[in-house]
Amino acid sequence: EDQVTQSPEALRLQEGESSSLNCSYTVSGLRGLFWYRQDPGKGPEFLFTLYSAGEEKEKERLKATLTKKESFLHITAPKPEDSATYLCAVDTSGTYKYIFGTGTRLKVLA
Amino acid sequence: GAGVSQTPSNKVTEKGKYVELRCDPISGHTALYWYRQSLGQGPEFLIYFQGTGAADDSGLPNDRFFAVRPEGSVSTLKIQRTERGDSAVYLCASSGLGSGDTQYFGPGTRLTVL
Repeated sequence: EDQVTQSPEALRLQEGESSSLNCSYTVSGLRGLFWYRQDPGKGPEFLFTLYSAGEEKEKERLKATLTKKESFLHITAPKPEDSATYLCAVDTSGTYKYIFGTGTRLKVLA
Repeated sequence: GAGVSQTPSNKVTEKGKYVELRCDPISGHTALYWYRQSLGQGPEFLIYFQGTGAADDSGLPNDRFFAVRPEGSVSTLKIQRTERGDSAVYLCASSGLGSGDTQYFGPGTRLTVL
């Protein structure tokens, strides 16, 4: 069965304290892995798409990487405005739906 | 440009009532998806439209749930005889091509069944 697991469930960082969020997946065939940011009461906001192992994408303080088993979202020198829930989703061969993890709730303290 | 819009943003109803939730996708996007998100969970797939037809409705929990997209643009998710367990945020997403393409989400409709 296709499965996506995110860790940690929650993470508290001091402003400027870099860290990484993990998304591990078990799928029959990966067509794409997606990272989203979700603020309270809002819909998921698209961040990155990764298609193949070894691929990396960057945007401001965020960098996403992909291997054959997992993806990491690296946050460098985070700011309080980076506080949100970060969701990982996979799109697998033969389906059209995303399978989401349960997310990592990130809190960055000033 | 305009993103995905959903109305209403909040809906409170009584157990047993009928509700309709509306989604207006990004202009030109042919693929449309409905997801349901419970508190503390990731979104769970309900149904996928390619054009006017439901290409995959395997995520609909039971026959009280139904969705339409009659003209290939706006979609309506319909829930009959609502139950308290239906309370959740209902998210709509659209993408340009479908499989493998990035899905862009709307703000969601928070449904509360009393």
